[in-house]
Amino acid sequence: GENVGLHLPTLSVQEGDNSIINCAYSNSASDYFIWYKQESGKGPQFIIDIRSNMDKRQGQRVTVLLNKTVKHLSLQIAATQPGDSAVYFCAEKEGGSNYKLTFGKGTLLTVNP
Amino acid sequence: NAGVTQTPKFQVLKTGQSMTLQCAQDMNHNSMYWYRQDPGMGLRLIYYSASEGTTDKGEVPNGYNVSRLNKREFSLRLESAAPSQTSVYFCASSTEGTGELFFGEGSRLTVL
Repeated sequence: GENVGLHLPTLSVQEGDNSIINCAYSNSASDYFIWYKQESGKGPQFIIDIRSNMDKRQGQRVTVLLNKTVKHLSLQIAATQPGDSAVYFCAEKEGGSNYKLTFGKGTLLTVNP
Repeated sequence: NAGVTQTPKFQVLKTGQSMTLQCAQDMNHNSMYWYRQDPGMGLRLIYYSASEGTTDKGEVPNGYNVSRLNKREFSLRLESAAPSQTSVYFCASSTEGTGELFFGEGSRLTVL
């Protein structure tokens, strides 16, 4: 697979546990945030998004929390499965821009069976 | 249902050589993008095309050119490759104005 796992923050969990992946962003003008999942050797895949007028959004087994006061975003994965093992990226979009996403450096999640 | 298709998947170049990475999408998306991914750096936007006929620079455009050939195709050209351009390149597309990008499988480029 890709060597994008080097130098990344890592999180190791047991199968069935809940996972929380954190992301700090720096641009106060960002109004839209997205989480992507990247499996080894593949392109990133959209998981869930949230706009700045919300503080929580839920999907299937995933929840994204946004705290604009401290510029913090988190992704919670319930009942983590081995198939969730991947690198997870947060991305932000500045208000007024339709096209430019800024990606974080990623977190490597490893799920132990 | 191919989605976003990139070619080639792997390429080795010598410094100074040129090459073009090809990208095509079959989802009728208006917007297309080229990113590069380096260890510990996340994804960085090289160029994007908001719609057919337009292209704009992203965060790291130096050393690259792009062509939006039609609505489906968006190519990335390296005119004179440098070792600093060794990376994995991803093409992506999206409906205009959304953050839900659909990525290709990536093209791994090594410049010696």
